[in-house]
Order: sequence, then structure tokens, then C-alpha cells
Amino acid sequence: SQQGEEDPQALSIQEGENATMNCSYKTSINNLQWYRQNSGRGLVHLILIRSNEREKHSGRLRVTLDTSKKSSSLLITASRAADTASYFCATDSRSNDYKLSFGAGTTVTVRA
Amino acid sequence: DGGITQSPKYLFRKEGQNVTLSCEQNLNHDAMYWYRQDPGQGLRLIYYSQIVNDFQKGDIAEGYSVSREKKESFPLTVTSAQKNPTAFYLCASSMTSGGGPSQYFGAGTRLSVL
Repeated sequence: SQQGEEDPQALSIQEGENATMNCSYKTSINNLQWYRQNSGRGLVHLILIRSNEREKHSGRLRVTLDTSKKSSSLLITASRAADTASYFCATDSRSNDYKLSFGAGTTVTVRA
Repeated sequence: DGGITQSPKYLFRKEGQNVTLSCEQNLNHDAMYWYRQDPGQGLRLIYYSQIVNDFQKGDIAEGYSVSREKKESFPLTVTSAQKNPTAFYLCASSMTSGGGPSQYFGAGTRLSVL
């Protein structure tokens, strides 16, 4: 079952701009992860944030988690053409035996 | 060079045919997964295995079968009972299956029906 929903579905930005995408989910979670998928390839893990954390950074990535609103955001700063990809949030919860549940993704296009 | 290898990259299935997708990992991970991805959609879990000789159905197991005879290998068979098999299939693995560890993905197999 897909619990996460990303917003927007698609995003087009200029190189150097920041990209922000959001993920909302329905039930209480244990962890929330963000993955990147380049066209026609597998997913690559970007960052994991636990339910008791509010913000995490990794390089140009910043993830926030608001469990009261059941939402998370992924910010990519100073975007590059290589950031062009689809980004997925994935949640796990005790109610789903900790299996990952993926959203439909946000497709980001970075224009040179 | 550690990772997950899926083969073949492209696969074509004829009507009434069973086909098997290969997934091998050398990461020494206990848990392995199979997902299906349709265009513009997220991943849906087909089967997963937490340990050798054991596996569980995911959300869309009908028309698929798996085996886990070795820790490194988790092949997926798309049977003739799967009436709409055209999709991108992704295999993944993780150290354990509990508590949401990050998963490592293969490059995928794109299956089409002739």
C-alpha cells in the first residue's frame, strides 16, 4: 500500500536554484526515507530521518519532518543538472511490519 | 565491488509463458525484496524475504512466485497468471528487514509482453 504522497508531481527549476518537495503520509511512522531515481535506473538512498528527529542535513540536502502534520520536506540547495531525477519518500511503520511504503514521487528537472 | 545485480536488463514475455528475473547481491544482506514500478507511480512490494528459505507476500503477490535458497539470490518468476506483467521490476536488499533500514537497489529489469 502506498502511504506517502509527494507534492508537487513535477518541478522544473534553473540550475543554481533550490528545489523543495513535500511528502505527506497517513499513519504514524517509525522512519521516513528519501530516495532518488535517475531515469530507467534503480533507486539510490539519500537520507533517513527517524520519527523523533525534526531535521537532518546531508551535503546539499535538508530534510524536515513534522509528525504532527504527518509531512516531510526535502530541500536540494544550489541545484545542478545532475540532480535531474525522480525523488521518492518512503515510510515504515509498526502497523505495516516495518516494510517500506513508497509514494508516487516528484520528478525534478534542472535546466542548465 | 559490492552491490545488487539484476538480469536481464530487458525481457520479453510471450502469452502463457513464465519468465524468471534474476537478483544477486554480495552485500551479505539478510533481507531481499522485489518491487514493481509502473509509469509515473511509486514502488509496490511483490515479495520479500527476511532470511534464507523464508519469504512473505507483499501487496501484489498474485501471479508471481519467488524462492530464497541462497542468501545471495532471490529470483522472481512472473507466471502466466499475471495478466498485466509489463512493468519495471526492482530488486533490493537491506541488512535487516525491521526498523526501516535503508535499502540498496539493483538497476532493474524492464519486462514487456510480446
